[in-house]
Amino acid sequence: DAGVIQSPRHEVTEMGQEVTLRCKPISGHDYLFWYRQTMMRGLELLIYFNNNVPIDDSGMPEDRFSAKMPNASFSTLKIQPSEPRDSAVYFCASSPGLAGRYNEQFFGPGTRLTVL
Amino acid sequence: DQQVKQNSPSLSVQEGRISILNCDYTNSMFDYFLWYKKYPAEGPTFLISISSIKDKNEDGRFTVFLNKSAKHLSLHIVPSQPGDSAVYFCAASPANQFYFGTGTSLTVIP
Repeated sequence: DAGVIQSPRHEVTEMGQEVTLRCKPISGHDYLFWYRQTMMRGLELLIYFNNNVPIDDSGMPEDRFSAKMPNASFSTLKIQPSEPRDSAVYFCASSPGLAGRYNEQFFGPGTRLTVL
Repeated sequence: DQQVKQNSPSLSVQEGRISILNCDYTNSMFDYFLWYKKYPAEGPTFLISISSIKDKNEDGRFTVFLNKSAKHLSLHIVPSQPGDSAVYFCAASPANQFYFGTGTSLTVIP
């Protein structure tokens, strides 16, 4: 398996533009997570899905952020409109979920977002 | 407010010596703890975990210690190797949530 795939790897956009980050989890994994990494706050969990259903989105910073998982092999994280403070590295991770949260998560390489 | 804190942003250790990375948490409901390692331009990778029913878990050169009364855990790497140079994240999980620290950058000097 190729592991968790994220695209794009780098995104530079201007304030006010819509940004869409994409993730393909490892086949067969039931859980999918979106994280944001900043120097100040480390890794923050934004939202996670179980079997394509959002379980907890309490980490989503505001209404400008939305995430979907239309099927087991694809998820998107959208920011609209984007702001400079959204600049960060965004990670997607998946886990097999056989033991729920006790399973390790497999992370993608991340998308580095810069909002000018 | 950070629920998982790694107060040392960086650590340098000589090759062959012990590396000790520390992590503090605030919530006594946390019952599962993990360490992840991250190389530049890559996503974090799982290293080792511990349940709150234990106070120690060992995997090769890596040992995690948990002190529930102090709400503190530590990762020991013995002996340290140059390939261990990376950022290490501590994570904690209560039910249905995951909290990560800000990371400690470890440099192992050959």
